[in-house]
Amino acid sequence: SQTIHQWPATLVQPVGSPLSLECTVEGTSNPNLYWYRQAAGRGLQLLFYSIGIDQISSEVPQNLSASRPQDRQFILSSKKLLLSDSGFYLCAWSATSGALSYEQYFGPGTRLTVT
Amino acid sequence: AQSVAQPEDQVNVAEGNPLTVKCTYSVSGNPYLFWYVQYPNRGLQFLLKYITGDNLVKGSYGFEAEFNKSQTSFHLKKPSALVSDSALYFCAVRVNTGGFKTIFGAGTRLFVKA
Repeated sequence: SQTIHQWPATLVQPVGSPLSLECTVEGTSNPNLYWYRQAAGRGLQLLFYSIGIDQISSEVPQNLSASRPQDRQFILSSKKLLLSDSGFYLCAWSATSGALSYEQYFGPGTRLTVT
Repeated sequence: AQSVAQPEDQVNVAEGNPLTVKCTYSVSGNPYLFWYVQYPNRGLQFLLKYITGDNLVKGSYGFEAEFNKSQTSFHLKKPSALVSDSALYFCAVRVNTGGFKTIFGAGTRLFVKA
């Protein structure tokens, strides 16, 4: 079965510090991968999505970036965090074919607090 | 513009009563529709989807949803609510742009009172 991991679970970082959040998927190959941010326990904002290694689309221009160095690894980064980067970051995957090829499966999330 | 709307921020229901969480959508072409549930400090969990076929879709934990093309709605329902159903529910629609993006509604918080 497929599993998605995110770490760390929680993170407190000062303004201006760098960020690296990691997401990995097990049990599937060539997944579509997504990074979302959820503010105040409500709606999801799509940040990045990827259909393959080094193929990443950005939805929101900001000081975040994403990379996919391996097929099942997706990394969210920032060189200098802003207070507004605080939130709950969710990674998700979806299959590119077969019965699971429409819905998304989410990781447990990372709670980021920028102080 | 393609969008999904959840008109209720919160729904309150007594345990044992039926529940409905509303969702309407606006997409070009045939819609791919989804419901997800989120428990506190957790990621979203997939509940059910409508791609094609029967308008009544059954999903996890006894939930079902009815696709209504004329009303562009995809309401989530359950015949008998449980306290453990209390959570945040998201309706979502996959956009037909040739990519893999899904638009999520703002979410509806369901409270089931014992």
